[in-house]
Amino acid sequence: KNEVEQSPQNLTAQEGEFITINCSYSVGISALHWLQQHPGGGIVSLFMLSSGKKKHGRLIATINIQEKHSSLHITASHPRDSAVYICAVRWAAKDTDKLIFGTGTRLQVFP
Amino acid sequence: KAGVTQTPRYLIKTRGQQVTLSCSPISGHRSVSWYQQTPGQGLQFLFEYFSETQRNKGNFPGRFSGRQFSNSRSEMNVSTLELGDSALYLCASSFRGGRLLYNEQFFGPGTRLTVL
Repeated sequence: KNEVEQSPQNLTAQEGEFITINCSYSVGISALHWLQQHPGGGIVSLFMLSSGKKKHGRLIATINIQEKHSSLHITASHPRDSAVYICAVRWAAKDTDKLIFGTGTRLQVFP
Repeated sequence: KAGVTQTPRYLIKTRGQQVTLSCSPISGHRSVSWYQQTPGQGLQFLFEYFSETQRNKGNFPGRFSGRQFSNSRSEMNVSTLELGDSALYLCASSFRGGRLLYNEQFFGPGTRLTVL
């Protein structure tokens, strides 16, 4: 079993729809990242959170530490949101800083 | 502020050769991490350098090595290349220091390595 599980693996949506991507993990973490990767490979960090909820524009990320679960929501989705979204859990201590990645969710938003 | 830069962006090598990839972190960032991304395995952690010292290493063979210089620039080296080493290699930098153990990681554009 992977330490970080994402669902769904693939997601298609019509422009304007509300989208949710889920991430579950089985290890203790220092923080959780949501990353966006466009075709061509470039990765952008969307959120880093260790508790509660963060919002940036149309993107919302939540985390429940007790349930080891996080969600990424996209409101009013747009074709430019089409990308792979990757959840990564982070373990950081005095002498180490390591990310463990989920397998990603490929999102396609059609006009 | 300039972002994380990686050179070269694309590289083609043959089996048995060795390769060196370079990563320049954001100014002021002292931590550099390297990752490998393949279609089959996804993103995997290679190693992290902080203040010229390797702090953590992922589950990769000894053919994969790296180093960090005093200006925080980092290089990774892969010796005796295998076909399976074909991948996108990403580095990410972050500020680590003071009371903060960790901070947001900023990724470079990656180096796409093809081994023939």
